[in-house]
Amino acid sequence: AQTVTQSQPEMSVQEAETVTLSCTYDTSENNYYLFWYKQPPSRQMILVIRQEAYKQQNATENRFSVNFQKAAKSFSLKISDSQLGDTAMYFCAFMKQPSNYQLIWGAGTKLIIKP
Amino acid sequence: SQTIHQWPATLVQPVGSPLSLECTVEGTSNPNLYWYRQAAGRGLQLLFYSVGIGQISSEVPQNLSASRPQDRQFILSSKKLLLSDSGFYLCAWTWGSGNTIYFGEGSWLTVV
Repeated sequence: AQTVTQSQPEMSVQEAETVTLSCTYDTSENNYYLFWYKQPPSRQMILVIRQEAYKQQNATENRFSVNFQKAAKSFSLKISDSQLGDTAMYFCAFMKQPSNYQLIWGAGTKLIIKP
Repeated sequence: SQTIHQWPATLVQPVGSPLSLECTVEGTSNPNLYWYRQAAGRGLQLLFYSVGIGQISSEVPQNLSASRPQDRQFILSSKKLLLSDSGFYLCAWTWGSGNTIYFGEGSWLTVV
């Protein structure tokens, strides 16, 4: 069975700083997707970034980028130039392929951006 | 573009009362639909998923049920709520070979 581990329950940084959130996973699958979702105080779950396991190139979305280390089963999220609106819970998630699109979730990291 | 809506946004119900949360997806056909629950300070737990009308798979035994009466409609129900049913419920969808799940706004349920 697959598992996803986020070892940082809470982090806080000053506005404009760079912060990295950690995620490790365990799987015997070779084909899968990894995701980072953001859940702000409104509680809506918002997709931040997605990585296909077969791609060696790390995914980027504006200020968000990942460091995907397949051999190490590591998938960290880097937020550059952090903004107050980045304050949220961040969840790492795994989806094997092919699948019925079920996500395996980490426990989440609470990120606080301080002014 | 595709959108997903769920309602009501908040609900306070007494123990033993029924529940109905509704979710609809617009702008697509034959989506895969999901109900998740999130207890306070916890991650997401998959409750039900559906790959088509009338096709429901349950992930955990519980006091809840789901139905899909129409292609883009997914309903979460209970005949008698328990205190432990309190939480934040999220409807979600994906489509075809799409491999990303998108979420609705969520519904807060408090059972008193």
